[in-house]
Amino acid sequence: GDSVTQMEGPVTLSEEAFLTINCTYTATGYPSLFWYVQYPGEGLQLLLKATKADDKGSNKGFEATYRKETTSFHLEKGSVQVSDSAVYFCALSEAPWGANSKLTFGKGITLSVRP
Amino acid sequence: DAGVIQSPRHEVTEMGQEVTLRCKPISGHNSLFWYRQTMMRGLELLIYFNNNVPIDDSGMPEDRFSAKMPNASFSTLKIQPSEPRDSAVYFCASSRGVDEQYFGPGTRLTVT
Repeated sequence: GDSVTQMEGPVTLSEEAFLTINCTYTATGYPSLFWYVQYPGEGLQLLLKATKADDKGSNKGFEATYRKETTSFHLEKGSVQVSDSAVYFCALSEAPWGANSKLTFGKGITLSVRP
Repeated sequence: DAGVIQSPRHEVTEMGQEVTLRCKPISGHNSLFWYRQTMMRGLELLIYFNNNVPIDDSGMPEDRFSAKMPNASFSTLKIQPSEPRDSAVYFCASSRGVDEQYFGPGTRLTVT
């Protein structure tokens, strides 16, 4: 079945440091890929997504590129802020993305950014 | 829009009691999802509905769990009887067609 593997956490960085969070996936078809973020005490919210190979999703300074050849969707940000402290989830959905599709999530990784 | 609304936000109950979690999806959304989040197992999809019809309940842990969606604006997740291992944060999410899923704030359930 489908699965998503994220790097082990937690991750602690200083403000303005470069961030990379690794994510790889296993899927039988051509999935859409997502990064969700969960701030303390809140539900998850979509950060960015990519629906086909070589697409780059971007939002709030975060980027991730859909790499079919390496089955990866690593999350990057050039300069993190304290406000980026949260839990980050990589997820996939089998294409075509539609009302009957469901998300498969990775275990999530906690990011803490020090001032 | 108020977003996905869940109630209660916190629930503490004793083992053996019935627990009912409630969810109001965003108006106009036709898919609804129930998730459970724990430190050990991460985020798990329990069940999801499309147009009020259950599509996939393979994630429901056992017969003690049941979910209903009597109309487009309301869903419940019931645990009867509850056990300590059911302690978790339960999230409801909704979506419209091909759009992203919007999550509610969650219900933190503690079973003693």
